[in-house]
Amino acid sequence: GESVGLHLPTLSVQEGDNSIINCAYSNSASDYFIWYKQESGKGPQFIIDIRSNMDKRQGQRVTVLLNKTVKHLSLQIAATQPGDSAVYFCAGVRDNYGQNFVFGPGTRLSVLP
Amino acid sequence: DSGVTQTPKHLITATGQRVTLRCSPRSGDLSVYWYQQSLDQGLQFLIQYYNGEERAKGNILERFSAQQFPDLHSELNLSSLELGDSALYFCASSVVGTRGLNTEAFFGQGTRLTVV
Repeated sequence: GESVGLHLPTLSVQEGDNSIINCAYSNSASDYFIWYKQESGKGPQFIIDIRSNMDKRQGQRVTVLLNKTVKHLSLQIAATQPGDSAVYFCAGVRDNYGQNFVFGPGTRLSVLP
Repeated sequence: DSGVTQTPKHLITATGQRVTLRCSPRSGDLSVYWYQQSLDQGLQFLIQYYNGEERAKGNILERFSAQQFPDLHSELNLSSLELGDSALYFCASSVVGTRGLNTEAFFGQGTRLTVV
């Protein structure tokens, strides 16, 4: 099945700086990819997604980049804030497929004052 | 608050026992998804129900089962529990029934199961 993993388990950034969280995948069959944010003691929260036929999508303070050539996607957070401290997961999803997606183990983002 | 309610929040039980986790989806949502999150496995999709019927199956063990009731709440039953079943179990719901996770899914806060 799909294998989605994250390069770094932890990332520390200064408040106000930009954060980049990376994710690699091994199977090209995903129809789209999703980024989730999970704060301590809470369930995952959807941040942004990108279809596999796109290479960039922007949201509010976040941008996801998809490079299918090297099977890599990244989540960029602009002007990182203390509230951005959380674990970030990426997931590859196949439309209408039974075993349909795999989440990576997560990257913990810590925002330093 | 996502609107998805899971009970109990914490559960401690012994090996070999059986437990039932409950999920109440957001009002109007027809799909319910169950996930297991452990330290070494990350977040794993278990199973999806849509309007009472199984919609998609992931890495769910035979010792585990789930169902969705007419009022759309769902229960995840875990039996013959092993130490390795200790994990956070999340439920998510969405209004659409697309097989697999969709971006409109909202997660509950999870049930932390500890098997001793």
